Amino acid sequence: SYVLTQPPSVSVAPGKTARIPCGGNNIGSKSVHWYQQKPGQAPVLVIFYDRDRPSGIPERFSGSNSGNTATLTISRVEAGDEADYYCQVWHTTSAAYVFGTGTKVTVL
Amino acid sequence: EVQLVESGGGLVQPGGSLRLSCAASGFTFSNYRMNWVRQAPGKGLEWVSYISNSDSTIYYADSVKGRFTISRDNAKNSLYLQMNSLRGEDTAVYYCARETNDGGYFDYWGQGTLVTVSS
Repeated sequence: SYVLTQPPSVSVAPGKTARIPCGGNNIGSKSVHWYQQKPGQAPVLVIFYDRDRPSGIPERFSGSNSGNTATLTISRVEAGDEADYYCQVWHTTSAAYVFGTGTKVTVL
Repeated sequence: EVQLVESGGGLVQPGGSLRLSCAASGFTFSNYRMNWVRQAPGKGLEWVSYISNSDSTIYYADSVKGRFTISRDNAKNSLYLQMNSLRGEDTAVYYCARETNDGGYFDYWGQGTLVTVSS
């Protein structure tokens, strides 16, 4: 099976930049999508196809994907960005969607 | 407005069965692929199952294969998950999620329904 590894937590001061890596074997060859989940709420899509933003998602959210690591970047972090973030891909070989282990972003 | 509303969760004993439903509105349900995703208490997201818009293609996670059955009724704008031989590790909030027409990711999620497997 395909595994996506994320750090359990990332801490960032308000106004600074948070970078959340998502590691997977040759993940650069796949399309990566990112979700934000706040406590008690359903996940919300924040990035699709590595770097595209759905309407309503601030430009502060951006993504990149190359080699064995995809990265979600949150610029000018705000208190409201505090949440869990998950990367996700489709793994063709196993015909399965795979989520990353999740990263809790804490705004200091 | 797109809405997905899950129902059918509850407390069930190990080995028991439960059927979840997801009522869709605000979009043409028959045009979209649908999925179930679950989240155990305090844990991450886990994809469970996929069904194509015409139910011709179905996929399951290895953890539920042979025990869960996904289905849909396009006339009723509804998605279902029949869960049999339930185990403690199936305890989770179950979300239905709409897959985009581009494929590969989920643009709308329901609020989830909690399934607790315990004696």
